Amino acid sequence: SQQGEEDPQALSIQEGENATMNCSYKTSINNLQWYRQNSGRGLVHLILIRSNEREKHSGRLRVTLDTSKKSSSLLITASRAADTASYFCATPNTGNQFYFGTGTSLTVIP
Amino acid sequence: GAGVSQSPRYKVAKRGQDVALRCDPISGHVSLFWYQQALGQGPEFLTYFQNEAQLDKSGLPSDRFFAERPEGSVSTLKIQRTQQEDSAVYLCASSFRPSGGRWVYNEQFFGPGTRLTVL
Repeated sequence: SQQGEEDPQALSIQEGENATMNCSYKTSINNLQWYRQNSGRGLVHLILIRSNEREKHSGRLRVTLDTSKKSSSLLITASRAADTASYFCATPNTGNQFYFGTGTSLTVIP
Repeated sequence: GAGVSQSPRYKVAKRGQDVALRCDPISGHVSLFWYQQALGQGPEFLTYFQNEAQLDKSGLPSDRFFAERPEGSVSTLKIQRTQQEDSAVYLCASSFRPSGGRWVYNEQFFGPGTRLTVL
């Protein structure tokens, strides 16, 4: 079963606009990771935020984490057509399992 | 540098056939994971290896699924007597676990996946 849920399920924006997607999870975590998946390809790691961090930046990416609400958001600024992909949040449990959410499908229109 | 590779990229099997999916992780990566991804869904954990030891196989959906990593590098996921519900993309990922570190802080490197279609 999936632990994370992304919202929205699908998002379509114009190139240059910002894209925001959210992730909610169920159990306590020590970190949360975001991955991108282009159609027909494997997942690519984007950014990791630890449970004691509230915000993290990497290039055009900004991730926030609210452990009290068990939620995270991923903001992509100044989107490009190449950002078109599915985005997943992922959380490890206390064992060896790694849970992925259901994903947000982002379409950036040139 | 070489990333995680998987073969075959596509596999079509008749129901009841056995299949074997191969994963070549990044050299030196201790941890190896298998995931199953249904269409439109996120990856679902199947099993985890640390070197040659299979430490967690709780995600394997039935006893028809079997994974091994005998020498701590290449891994094979075998599905016996395939069923239509086994149709999915099977993803392999590897991760480096530094001495004294916890793998859960490390990113996973994914292969392109094997798309299995069972007719």
